[in-house]
Amino acid sequence: GIQVEQSPPDLILQEGANSTLRCNFSDSVNNLQWFHQNPWGQLINLFYIPSGTKQNGRLSATTVATERYSLLYISSSQTTDSGVYFCAVPSYTGTASKLTFGTGTRLQVTL
Amino acid sequence: DGGITQSPKYLFRKEGQNVTLSCEQNLNHDAMYWYRQDPGQGLRLIYYSQIVNDFQKGDIAEGYSVSREKKESFPLTVTSAQKNPTAFYLCASRPRDRSTKQYFGPGTRLTVT
Repeated sequence: GIQVEQSPPDLILQEGANSTLRCNFSDSVNNLQWFHQNPWGQLINLFYIPSGTKQNGRLSATTVATERYSLLYISSSQTTDSGVYFCAVPSYTGTASKLTFGTGTRLQVTL
Repeated sequence: DGGITQSPKYLFRKEGQNVTLSCEQNLNHDAMYWYRQDPGQGLRLIYYSQIVNDFQKGDIAEGYSVSREKKESFPLTVTSAQKNPTAFYLCASRPRDRSTKQYFGPGTRLTVT
């Protein structure tokens, strides 16, 4: 099956700093999701991004499908950005789709 | 995301007991999924269902069972055959369209002692 790797595994930032999280995948995909898991465990949809770049406030994501990676940019980080960031890519069995998740990047933003 | 509820939030059981986790959605989504998350790990797929009365095993289905009698409901039973049932369980759903985007419930944290 498809393999998904994320880097770095852990990241500590001071509030206000910028960061880039990376997601590599082993096979071609036609879209990708980025999630933020907050300290209570809730998975929050950040981006659904087949290719190109999307922006939402201080966050943006770029997927280069031909090179099998996606990047999540966090600018001017805040303590509320802390948590775990996952990327996930789909695979198919007939018409059924399912997601394969990376192991995540744990982000801690300090004052 | 809104529209998907999981209950209870925390669940405690004794070893050897079966336990059923609830997942309900009011988004009119066709597909529903169950994932398991262990501490410090990513999510792994247990079971999924594309339509009512049909479901497929995911990557770690052993020791679990599901049913899909109604479109809005996809309960997961953790049986006594599951060797390490203590984990965080997340339910998700997806609309019928071509998009593979999934929406997640708040999760149930199961502790078995």
